[in-house]
Amino acid sequence: AQSVAQPEDQVNVAEGNPLTVKCTYSVSGNPYLFWYVQYPNRGLQFLLKYITGDNLVKGSYGFEAEFNKSQTSFHLKKPSALVSDSALYFCAVRDNNYGQNFVFGPGTRLSVLP
Amino acid sequence: GAGVSQSPSNKVTEKGKDVELRCDPISGHTALYWYRQRLGQGLEFLIYFQGNSAPDKSGLPSDRFSAERTGESVSTLTIQRTQQEDSAVYLCASSLGGGGRAEAFFGQGTRLTVV
Repeated sequence: AQSVAQPEDQVNVAEGNPLTVKCTYSVSGNPYLFWYVQYPNRGLQFLLKYITGDNLVKGSYGFEAEFNKSQTSFHLKKPSALVSDSALYFCAVRDNNYGQNFVFGPGTRLSVLP
Repeated sequence: GAGVSQSPSNKVTEKGKDVELRCDPISGHTALYWYRQRLGQGLEFLIYFQGNSAPDKSGLPSDRFSAERTGESVSTLTIQRTQQEDSAVYLCASSLGGGGRAEAFFGQGTRLTVV
């Protein structure tokens, strides 16, 4: 079965500092990995995905994520955080050996302090 | 429209009543998903449609929940005899088919409150 863990409920970072939001996953086959952001009272917005190829993927709003197969991780990063990055972040996985449902992690609330 | 559209945006219903939630996916998207998000929590998978294949209903929490989709267009999620624990935001998403590589695009959700 597929699963996703986001070990931190909350991440606080000062504006201008680098941020990392952690994600680990479990699948039986090869993973397709996704990050989404949710602002208050809004649906989820797609940030970036890893399918194959280069382990470092770049996405919207200056975010990037690094796929690490040996650690089964897909951490989200940004070199310099903005206050406007404060939101709820979800990691999701799909297993290419299974049906195509997305399995989401529990979410991490990011607070960027001015 | 350009994005996934859900209606109504808010629904307040009395316990025991039936409700229907509607989702209009992005045109051309063969896959459609329903998720439930309780306050302050993550996304709980409900049901997944892919083209003309039998839907994956494995996430539906009880037989009070059902969903239909006409071809590759509109979907409705029906909750019968609503209970207070059904109060949540119901999110719909759609994606292109083709092996799971495509990201899903989400609607704004329907906030259901059962009183």
